[in-house]
Amino acid sequence: QVQLVESGGGVVQPGTSLRLSCAASGFTFRSYGMHWIRQAPGKGLEWVAVIWHDGTQKYYMDAVQGRFTISRDNSKDTLYLEMDSLRADDTAVYYCARILGQTLAVADWGQGALVTVSS
Amino acid sequence: EIVMTQSPATLSVSPGERATLSCRASQSVSTYLAWYQQKPGQAPRLLIYGASTRATGIPARFSGSGSGTEFTLTISSLQSEDFAVYYCQQYNNWPPITFGGGTKVEIK
Repeated sequence: QVQLVESGGGVVQPGTSLRLSCAASGFTFRSYGMHWIRQAPGKGLEWVAVIWHDGTQKYYMDAVQGRFTISRDNSKDTLYLEMDSLRADDTAVYYCARILGQTLAVADWGQGALVTVSS
Repeated sequence: EIVMTQSPATLSVSPGERATLSCRASQSVSTYLAWYQQKPGQAPRLLIYGASTRATGIPARFSGSGSGTEFTLTISSLQSEDFAVYYCQQYNNWPPITFGGGTKVEIK
């Protein structure tokens, strides 16, 4: 079965950096686009970024454009989110998510990694 | 950016009753609309995509309808495990992909 396991979350100070990883298994990782989606404590879902199956296309929400970088290593079945210049409003659970077929709906979600930005 | 508006924010329903959740888009998204269910402490789960296609393993009591700007998720007979928060998502006009604010279905 599909498994997506995020790691790398934690508590960091404003202005610092953090890298999230998402280890994928149970499907052919290199064949699927992937999202990062976040959820602030007690709030709704917010899409962060998407990357094509081959890494050739990447798109971001405006609030993270230029600060976050989505990438993938298809030889390691792993998705990444490099987060720089972190701000308090980046505090959230970050979900790694697999795209459904040729759509941009989310077929499968990881369990999430909590990132807390606080001084 | 397409804004997705869900109503009501909270829906109180008795087990066995029908629940009707609404999602409105600020401009047409055709049928590029998905619905997700999220229970406390869990990741969301895909219920419906393409506005009306049930995802694998989703019970037939869940149905989606609509196109353009108006969409509905119907749960025909609420079971205890259906009490949760439901989100709609559009993926027609992006970036950004956008979600609605959610509807919490609670026990009446």
